[in-house]
Amino acid sequence: SSKVTQDPAVSVALGQTVKITCQGDSLSTSSTTWLQQKPGQAPVLVIYGQDNRPSGIPDRFSGSISGDTASLTIFGPQAEDEAVYFCVSRDKSGDQWVFGGGTKLTVL
Amino acid sequence: QVQLVQSGPEVKKPGASVKISCKASGYIFTSNYIHWVRQAPGQGLEWMGIMNPSGDSTKSAQKFRDRVSMTRDTSTSTAYLVLSSLTSEDTAMYYCARDKEVVIVPARGWLDSWGQGTQVTVSS
Repeated sequence: SSKVTQDPAVSVALGQTVKITCQGDSLSTSSTTWLQQKPGQAPVLVIYGQDNRPSGIPDRFSGSISGDTASLTIFGPQAEDEAVYFCVSRDKSGDQWVFGGGTKLTVL
Repeated sequence: QVQLVQSGPEVKKPGASVKISCKASGYIFTSNYIHWVRQAPGQGLEWMGIMNPSGDSTKSAQKFRDRVSMTRDTSTSTAYLVLSSLTSEDTAMYYCARDKEVVIVPARGWLDSWGQGTQVTVSS
């Protein structure tokens, strides 16, 4: 089965730009979804279909993909963006999904 | 608005089964796939399976294939997850999540609405 890898933790200064990445051998053939999870809460969808934002998600969140690496970029993150971010993508088999291990974002 | 409301916390003994419900509202239940995801304490998210509420077809992750069952009751817009032969490693928060994609095309994994989670604790 496919494996999707994320850096465990990333930090960024308030207002700077941060890129959170997700690497996996199935990513180039499947759209990647990005979820935000804050402590004690259910995950929230922030990016789907590579670079689409649900209503209510600020436009500072953006998604992209290059080769086998998908990225979530946050332009000028705010304190409330501090959370764990998970990517999820379709498995190589095409009928299952696999989550990345999550990246804990700290906004300094 | 779309809402998924899950059943309450469960405490089970090893070897038992647990049944979790996920009641949908605010949309046509049979129009969108339902995924099941779990999260062990302090860990990441783990995909368990997907169900098409329209046709009752399901697909589960390989590691759960012999002990998970996903069903639905369209009359109450409720999806169910049954996990059997529980061990302490099944202690986790279990979530249902709606796929934004409609069932007439393949699911996308666009998990746009989540239930509040059901805590399952397995302990002797």
